[in-house]
Amino acid sequence: RKEVEQDPGPFNVPEGATVAFNCTYSNSASQSFFWYRQDCRKEPKLLMSVYSSGNEDGRFTAQLNRASQYISLLIRDSKLSDSATYLCVVTVNSGYALNFGKGTSLLVTP
Amino acid sequence: DVKVTQSSRYLVKRTGEKVFLECVQDMDHENMFWYRQDPGLGLRLIYFSYDVKMKEKGDIPEGYSVSREKKERFSLILESASTNQTSMYLCASSNPGPTGEQYFGPGTRLTVT
Repeated sequence: RKEVEQDPGPFNVPEGATVAFNCTYSNSASQSFFWYRQDCRKEPKLLMSVYSSGNEDGRFTAQLNRASQYISLLIRDSKLSDSATYLCVVTVNSGYALNFGKGTSLLVTP
Repeated sequence: DVKVTQSSRYLVKRTGEKVFLECVQDMDHENMFWYRQDPGLGLRLIYFSYDVKMKEKGDIPEGYSVSREKKERFSLILESASTNQTSMYLCASSNPGPTGEQYFGPGTRLTVT
């Protein structure tokens, strides 16, 4: 079983829509959680960390449910520039190595 | 700004050749990583290093080796390239600890013919 699972999409949404991505992880010892963003033919970049209390950065809200081993990312008021692949990422143990989900593809259309 | 550079953006090699992929970071990070990314399989960790001359196997180390002689440089070596090693190779670096963000290089698209 893959450690980090995401719906691959693609999610096609109109500009201004709200879209939510989900992710589940299998290792209950996981310590840290992130969402990375990867644009087409570019390298992944950190979008935001995910905390148990939930956190928000502008139009982006991330939530963590440790009991259900579930992570979510909510994007409000989608922009064309939000089109990308969103990677759910989990660390275990010392946090040296990241476990990446396969990514969820988002396309925001005019 | 953190910068991670990789020696080539595109590389074409023949089966059986020895291939070196170089990665350099300028932020004095202790950890460095090599991943490969394939459609439908996502990012998979090949090797990582948490200190000079130290290395740890990742999920798919077979057919690869690494070298870290200096803190800023981490090399991935394909001893005898095979067609199933055609992939995008991404290098990353970070500081230690569970909150350490990983910074990625632009990637090397390797084609083995």
